[in-house]
Amino acid sequence: DVKVTQSSRYLVKRTGEKVFLECVQDMDHENMFWYRQDPGLGLRLIYFSYDVKMKEKGDIPEGYSVSREKKERFSLILESASTNQTSMYLCASSSRNEQFFGPGTRLTVL
Amino acid sequence: DAKTTQPTSMDCAEGRAANLPCNHSTISGNEYVYWYRQIHSQGPQYIIHGLKNNETNEMASLIITEDRKSSTLILPHATLRDTAVYYCIVIANAGNMLTFGGGTRLMVKP
Repeated sequence: DVKVTQSSRYLVKRTGEKVFLECVQDMDHENMFWYRQDPGLGLRLIYFSYDVKMKEKGDIPEGYSVSREKKERFSLILESASTNQTSMYLCASSSRNEQFFGPGTRLTVL
Repeated sequence: DAKTTQPTSMDCAEGRAANLPCNHSTISGNEYVYWYRQIHSQGPQYIIHGLKNNETNEMASLIITEDRKSSTLILPHATLRDTAVYYCIVIANAGNMLTFGGGTRLMVKP
């Protein structure tokens, strides 16, 4: 059974903290994505990666960075968390025909 | 990617078929119709996709009109667990980033 896992389902952090969100897929996919989902704004792409050590900015990369050191792992980093980064974060990996999503991490920044 | 239009919400009685429409009048010849759903507080889940022929899998059926300008997702025997937001998207390559619009909030009632 295909799987995309995320390190936490719920996370509460304080303003200014550095936050790591981890995503692991076991399908040997080359493509991996980080989205955030907010009410009324739909799904927005933060960063994506088509290969190890490769990263591309999505629509809203400001305030975020990513790391792809291994094919199966794609990490999202909030260097200094802010309250406007409170959101649901979704990781996905894809084959050509289908994108598989993780369960999501609901991050609250106080 | 072509834009899609879906009703904001629908109700369905448990055990009955749920028919979810989607309009995509600007679809291009190389674009597929994909359906995903998102149960509350979970990541999106792939349901089905098609190009021009009708498709069926263990979850649902997808009926695409001959002119490909609209489609219908059919859940043949809806259960309470099918209550979710259903997203219709049109995309040439699901390996690329996805953009979800508002979707249809399906409420299955006992």
